[in-house]
Amino acid sequence: QKEVEQNSGPLSVPEGAIASLNCTYSDRGSQSFFWYRQYSGKSPELIMSIYSNGDKEDGRFTAQLNKASQYVSLLIRDSQPSDSATYLCAVNEYSGAGSYQLTFGKGTKLSVIP
Amino acid sequence: GAVVSQHPSRVICKSGTSVKIECRSLDFQATTMFWYRQFPKKSLMLMATSNEGSKATYEQGVEKDKFLINHASLTLSTLTVTSAHPEDSSFYICSARRWHLEDPDNEQFFGPGTRLTVL
Repeated sequence: QKEVEQNSGPLSVPEGAIASLNCTYSDRGSQSFFWYRQYSGKSPELIMSIYSNGDKEDGRFTAQLNKASQYVSLLIRDSQPSDSATYLCAVNEYSGAGSYQLTFGKGTKLSVIP
Repeated sequence: GAVVSQHPSRVICKSGTSVKIECRSLDFQATTMFWYRQFPKKSLMLMATSNEGSKATYEQGVEKDKFLINHASLTLSTLTVTSAHPEDSSFYICSARRWHLEDPDNEQFFGPGTRLTVL
């Protein structure tokens, strides 16, 4: 069974610090990886996608991918209280008959303390 | 770009009635749309995958006769909850995969969700 694992948290960091969110996945054939942010009572919002090993930066966010270790991470620099949310790691996996679907981790709840 | 709308955002209905939820990709074509359900403080649960012009594929445990899905065009999918009961009360979220030629690993965008309350 394909799995995506995340530490459920909560992860608390002070404002201005770096928040580090981690994710591991079981399907070695996966090629696409995503981070979504979900505020309480809202739907997920795509914040990062990464397809190649290494780092990908977008503003205060950096996604890191290591396919050999089956590990994806998200770093949030200069954390702000508005970053407080649940962060979902998602892996695009082949589901058969030419179809792909996202497998989500259970999410890590991040709290940024002012 | 990549906006997905959902309507209605909130609906309250009586037990036994049917509710239709619309999901539209506003600025891109989506050959594949997904329907999720999320209970409070729980993970997203995929209900079904919908491909334009074909029957939806339902996840195990999801009743296809209760949750009717129609994906009539590249920008519209609908979910109808038939004979709704209080246990169907949940947050229903659609998602659309942006289609790109020769690239199966496309980004997936979520609608804002529909909160259904069945009395």
